[in-house]
Amino acid sequence: QQQVKQSPQSLIVQKGGISIINCAYENTAFDYFPWYQQFPGKGPALLIAIRPDVSEKKEGRFTISFNKSAKQFSLHIMDSQPGDSATYFCAANYGQNFVFGPGTRLSVLP
Amino acid sequence: NAGVTQTPKFRILKIGQSMTLQCTQDMNHNYMYWYRQDPGMGLKLIYYSVGAGITDKGEVPNGYNVSRSTTEDFPLRLELAAPSQTSVYFCASSGGSLYGYTFGSGTRLTVV
Repeated sequence: QQQVKQSPQSLIVQKGGISIINCAYENTAFDYFPWYQQFPGKGPALLIAIRPDVSEKKEGRFTISFNKSAKQFSLHIMDSQPGDSATYFCAANYGQNFVFGPGTRLSVLP
Repeated sequence: NAGVTQTPKFRILKIGQSMTLQCTQDMNHNYMYWYRQDPGMGLKLIYYSVGAGITDKGEVPNGYNVSRSTTEDFPLRLELAAPSQTSVYFCASSGGSLYGYTFGSGTRLTVV
């Protein structure tokens, strides 16, 4: 119930392409869904987040799509750049804590 | 603002040794957390605190202890280090469950 599933485990995209990472959850009590970006040797950094009362949120090239009925949400990176190469984690909150997906390693080829 | 500061950045311990991982935040956040990150396994919650003097266990607390005597500091204590504790440890803080986390840069610990 406190689990968030994430796919794919790794993703390779050409520069300029669209990167899509998917997450799914079971607990309908989750009410905040952030995405974190982590570069090698660094801590995760909050990238973008959404609440379940909206279906989409866009910030620059990053968009979260949220499907409440399917209990799924996804991160879309438009015009992917080599500088986007990192590990991406989806997360969901329960109470005062967050549960994280296992991560997706994105590589954007120049 | 420094955000969340963790020390040390790297450490090698021998089996059975003890150490304290330090974490300090300057954002006056009430909520603080310790996670460990193993390759391909995501982040696992070790302990968390919702305010000074209040701590609680997370998903993987065995072998660790914490204290929270001030709002700023949340040290993690490893007693009797074991190879299974080889990991990268991240401290994080938050202003509340709907605000996301600010993470430190991590401590890479190797137990040999």
